[in-house]
Amino acid sequence: GQNIDQPTEMTATEGAIVQINCTYQTSGFNGLFWYQQHAGEAPTFLSYNVLDGLEEKGRFSSFLSRSKGYSYLLLKELQMKDSASYLCAVRVGWNKLSFGAGTTVTVRA
Amino acid sequence: DTAVSQTPKYLVTQMGNDKSIKCEQNLGHDTMYWYKQDSKKFLKIMFSYNNKELIINETVPNRFSPKSPDKAHLNLHINSLELGDSAVYFCASSQEGQGVYGYTFGSGTRLTVV
Repeated sequence: GQNIDQPTEMTATEGAIVQINCTYQTSGFNGLFWYQQHAGEAPTFLSYNVLDGLEEKGRFSSFLSRSKGYSYLLLKELQMKDSASYLCAVRVGWNKLSFGAGTTVTVRA
Repeated sequence: DTAVSQTPKYLVTQMGNDKSIKCEQNLGHDTMYWYKQDSKKFLKIMFSYNNKELIINETVPNRFSPKSPDKAHLNLHINSLELGDSAVYFCASSQEGQGVYGYTFGSGTRLTVV
């Protein structure tokens, strides 16, 4: 099975930077995803890492270290609309995505 | 234009009833999934179908029975509903080889069993 850990909650100020860590233990690793989920809505894709290193997409960046079983999602220049739950998910094989419990980020003015 | 659509969006029913949730995707994806998200927001896979064939069946009570009439549809039927079945159920789809985009999720069905 997969064991995926991420913090439950984080709070930050508008304009600041927040880093959400995710650690995992799995066999058959085939990529790590980050999803954003606003309350009452579906998860939406943010980023994907399959090789070690940093992937940057605008204000969001995601990092992966496969040897350490570690990833982080970096959110820069926080905006109020970034208040949401952020889900770390590990893919095993080509079609099974296992999710962590999610990190609720609250952005304060 | 909706990529993955599921109905109904809300479902309130009494214990012991049987209900179905429908899902359709117009993305041409080969694989579809059902996920359950409980009150603690933990999203857990239940089933996966690839081209109408069941390929993932997690530890789910056999009161839950998925049915895929074709690769664009995956429905979920639940018999003898229990209070613990209350959750949000998400349908999703994906395509092998398009790993960079992961899954596309439907908007969810909030099931409340009273």
